[in-house]
Amino acid sequence: KAGVTQTPRYLIKTRGQQVTLSCSPISGHRSVSWYQQTPGQGLQFLFEYFSETQRNKGNFPGRFSGRQFSNSRSEMNVSTLELGDSALYLCASSLEGRGLSGELFFGEGSRLTVL
Amino acid sequence: GENVGLHLPTLSVQEGDNSIINCAYSNSASDYFIWYKQESGKGPQFIIDIRSNMDKRQGQRVTVLLNKTVKHLSLQIAATQPGDSAVYFCAEMNTGGFKTIFGAGTRLFVKA
Repeated sequence: KAGVTQTPRYLIKTRGQQVTLSCSPISGHRSVSWYQQTPGQGLQFLFEYFSETQRNKGNFPGRFSGRQFSNSRSEMNVSTLELGDSALYLCASSLEGRGLSGELFFGEGSRLTVL
Repeated sequence: GENVGLHLPTLSVQEGDNSIINCAYSNSASDYFIWYKQESGKGPQFIIDIRSNMDKRQGQRVTVLLNKTVKHLSLQIAATQPGDSAVYFCAEMNTGGFKTIFGAGTRLFVKA
């Protein structure tokens, strides 16, 4: 079974631009979560989607948004990029995203550099 | 942002020794806890989990201990190997919720 696939793996943007990151979950997984990972803040929860609905979100500004499609694939978008948005963005899928089946399967991430 | 175990300590152990990685969690309502391992250039990978109705769970060479009284988790790795070198994260969630909160992580170095 294929793992979680994230694209692109690396990208460089300049301040003020926007970026869209894509995530394909493991087949059969309906929950997709996004995390931002930086050396100073660790893994910060962005949001979680299940059946095209956002069920929870973290403490990030509205510039960070996401969506999930009917095939469970997900995208996240960051608009008006700032230098501080440089990070590794990790996508994780799980069967249903709640406790008893809450194990997360992570992709390798999309490393965003904002210049 | 929300975090479990805000400090990022580094642990250095000799190959063959046992390792103990500690973590403090923040939410007393959390009832499901997971340890993840992240190797360089990869996403975190599940190691072992434990539910709040347990205080100990064992896997292959790993043991997780949970102390709900002081909101503390630990991961014990027996006979640590060079391949165990990585960053280890504890994570918490509520079984009725939809988000997993991660700690800051601990970097484990294994000296050959």
